[in-house]
Amino acid sequence: GQSLEQPSEVTAVEGAIVQINCTYQTSGFYGLSWYQQHDGGAPTFLSYNALDGLEETGRFSSFLSRSDSYGYLLLQELQMKDSASYFCAVTLRSNFNKFYFGSGTKLNVKP
Amino acid sequence: NAGVMQNPRHLVRRRGQEARLRCSPMKGHSHVYWYRQLPEEGLKFMVYLQKENIIDESGMPKERFSAEFPKEGPSILRIQQVVRGDSAAYFCASSPDRDAGYTFGSGTRLTVV
Repeated sequence: GQSLEQPSEVTAVEGAIVQINCTYQTSGFYGLSWYQQHDGGAPTFLSYNALDGLEETGRFSSFLSRSDSYGYLLLQELQMKDSASYFCAVTLRSNFNKFYFGSGTKLNVKP
Repeated sequence: NAGVMQNPRHLVRRRGQEARLRCSPMKGHSHVYWYRQLPEEGLKFMVYLQKENIIDESGMPKERFSAEFPKEGPSILRIQQVVRGDSAAYFCASSPDRDAGYTFGSGTRLTVV
């Protein structure tokens, strides 16, 4: 089976930088995605890595190291609206329609 | 272009009743996916459908759960004889083809009392 680990909760202050880590154990890894979910809301896609390295999209960046089975989501210039849960999810070579999600990291941004 | 529409947003059922959850994909999307989310957990894949076909139902419980995506109309996730453990948020997502990313709907929160 697939397993993903991420911290359950992280707290940071407005304007700061926060990194949310994700380690995974899978067979046939294809890619790592990140989703944001506000309480009661839909998961929304943030970023995707299939190759090693850093992908930058505005204030959010995502990193992948395939050899370490590790990735992270970096959020810069934190804003109050960034308070949400963040999920990493893997897809496999055998079936990249299906996402295997971690349990999520609840980010609390304080003023 | 409306997003993925799910209804109802909230559904309360007594144990033993049936629950029907509807999902209308984005315009032009013919691939639909259903996921279940228990409180404080990540989403778990249930089923992947194309119009009139079930492609992958490896995440569906063997009994009481069924899904369809007819030629006309929304995709339906049906849970018969609901039990308390079925209480969860059920999310639908759609994509234009099997290699494209998903867009999720806002979910149906099912509560079984």
